[in-house]
Amino acid sequence: GNSVTQMEGPVTLSEEAFLTINCTYTATGYPSLFWYVQYPGEGLQLLLKATKADDKGSNKGFEATYRKETTSFHLEKGSVQVSDSAVYFCALSGMNTGFQKLVFGTGTRLLVSP
Amino acid sequence: DAGVIQSPRHEVTEMGQEVTLRCKPISGHNSLFWYRQTMMRGLELLIYFNNNVPIDDSGMPEDRFSAKMPNASFSTLKIQPSEPRDSAVYFCASTFAPTDTQYFGPGTRLTVL
Repeated sequence: GNSVTQMEGPVTLSEEAFLTINCTYTATGYPSLFWYVQYPGEGLQLLLKATKADDKGSNKGFEATYRKETTSFHLEKGSVQVSDSAVYFCALSGMNTGFQKLVFGTGTRLLVSP
Repeated sequence: DAGVIQSPRHEVTEMGQEVTLRCKPISGHNSLFWYRQTMMRGLELLIYFNNNVPIDDSGMPEDRFSAKMPNASFSTLKIQPSEPRDSAVYFCASTFAPTDTQYFGPGTRLTVL
């Protein structure tokens, strides 16, 4: 079945450091890939997505490239801010009788200190 | 635009009581999802609806859980009787199928004593 594996957290960085959160997936067919972010006390928000191989999703300085050859969708940001502290979820969409069902990773907590 | 609305935001109840969580999806969306989030199990899909019809309820833990969607603008998740292990944050999300970006509500934090 479809699955997503994320690196264990927490990831602790100083402000302006470079961020990478690893995500690999297993899926049949050609899923879409997503990164969602959850700030404390809130629901998940879509951060970025990519729908086909070699696509790059980007938003708010975050980027991720859909790598079919390595089945990966790693999240990167060149310079993190304290306000980026949150939990980040990698996910993929699996077609199921025509309706979109997301499969989420376990989430990676990011802590950014001043 | 109003996002997904959930109520209540917090619920504290005693074991054995009935709990009803409510969700109003984004207007025009035709798919609705209920998730449960805990530290131990992460984010779990409980059930989802398309055009008000339950499509997959394989994630519903047991018969104590039930979900309904009587119309396109309202859904409920009911737990009867509730148990301490049901304590979690419950999220509702909606989308317009066949697009795959889900929009999440703020969640209901349930505590069962």
